[in-house]
Amino acid sequence: GAVVSQHPSRVICKSGTSVKIECRSLDFQATTMFWYRQFPKQSLMLMATSNEGSKATYEQGVEKDKFLINHASLTLSTLTVTSAHPEDSSFYICSARGTGEIQPQHFGDGTRLSIL
Amino acid sequence: GQNIDQPTEMTATEGAIVQINCTYQTSGFNGLFWYQQHAGEAPTFLSYNVLDGLEEKGRFSSFLSRSKGYSYLLLKELQMKDSASYLCAPMDSNYQLIWGAGTKLIIKP
Repeated sequence: GAVVSQHPSRVICKSGTSVKIECRSLDFQATTMFWYRQFPKQSLMLMATSNEGSKATYEQGVEKDKFLINHASLTLSTLTVTSAHPEDSSFYICSARGTGEIQPQHFGDGTRLSIL
Repeated sequence: GQNIDQPTEMTATEGAIVQINCTYQTSGFNGLFWYQQHAGEAPTFLSYNVLDGLEEKGRFSSFLSRSKGYSYLLLKELQMKDSASYLCAPMDSNYQLIWGAGTKLIIKP
């Protein structure tokens, strides 16, 4: 159980393109979803936390107008990187947590984004 | 502040036992999670401890001492596929997981 699906797994696109990443919880209701980015050999960096039906809470230093998050249902959250530039190239990972704060986060497989 | 201290890298032999230590400081505490992350992949959940003591789950066990701010992950009968990074992630009073860089475990034949 607790499967989280993330698509696409890899994106290569030109600078200035907007990229949308989907995160779905397949067998449980995810009241909270998290978006992370991770650079090689570094720790996970939380970008934002989203609760179903409400606006996402962004971490300090993360531009909410650049990284648009939508959590429209209990099973789907999307992250859109708008007008992506080479410095946005990274490994983006979503995770989902079921009802109750003290639950493990279950991760999607991640999206490797490369901006040329 | 909040911080996590784990060794950066450890090496062990196939079939052996290895213990990965973690000390932490958080604002409040709601338990501690261990995750495994293979290179280039997302983390997978291994264990959760909220009470002091040892939790055993197959070849993996996790221990917690809240008073010492200390946890360890014990891996037995090591297999080559256990080569990965192991992330100790305590949960603070806001139910946020605190992530460190993890311990890279290298298994040699």
